[in-house]
Amino acid sequence: AQSVAQPEDQVNVAEGNPLTVKCTYSVSGNPYLFWYVQYPNRGLQFLLKYITGDNLVKGSYGFEAEFNKSQTSFHLKKPSALVSDSALYFCAVRDINTGFQKLVFGTGTRLLVSP
Amino acid sequence: DAMVIQNPRYQVTQFGKPVTLSCSQTLNHNVMYWYQQKSSQAPKLLFHYYDKDFNNEADTPDNFQSRRPNTSFCFLDIRSPGLGDAAMYLCATSRLDPGDTQYFGPGTRLTVL
Repeated sequence: AQSVAQPEDQVNVAEGNPLTVKCTYSVSGNPYLFWYVQYPNRGLQFLLKYITGDNLVKGSYGFEAEFNKSQTSFHLKKPSALVSDSALYFCAVRDINTGFQKLVFGTGTRLLVSP
Repeated sequence: DAMVIQNPRYQVTQFGKPVTLSCSQTLNHNVMYWYQQKSSQAPKLLFHYYDKDFNNEADTPDNFQSRRPNTSFCFLDIRSPGLGDAAMYLCATSRLDPGDTQYFGPGTRLTVL
């Protein structure tokens, strides 16, 4: 089955420093990978996705992610963190093995950016 | 702006009293989903509609039902809410291609007293 793992429950970073939120995946076939962000009492907001093409994907709010096939990773990055980036981040993969191709989420990583 | 709208944002109900949550979309997507999310956990898919074709997840309790009267609207009915059904309920939409993005609404926070 398709799956993603987010090994860190929480990531702490100081404002202005680069941030990385990790995600590894396990898929059969081509991966369709997504990152979402969730602020308190809000729905999930789409940040970026990898379907095919360039390994470096740029998304919303200055975020980017690097697809690494050999390491089966899709880490989310930002060069300079903002306090307002503090939120819950979910990595997800499209499960193409089901007829419906549902989205399978990781357990989430809480990002805390300190002033 | 095209979007996914959920009403109400906050819903309080009593134990055992039926409740209906609403979702509408202006994206004209043919797939609509309902998720349950508890305590900052990953969203759990309850069911989805592909056009009018309803698809239930195997572990979704019978207490949860859904209706999709047209492309734009989808409802989540909880027939007899229990305390364990208190959660955030998220609606999402997408097209069916595997590379298509799911777009989420703001969610409805359900409290069961």
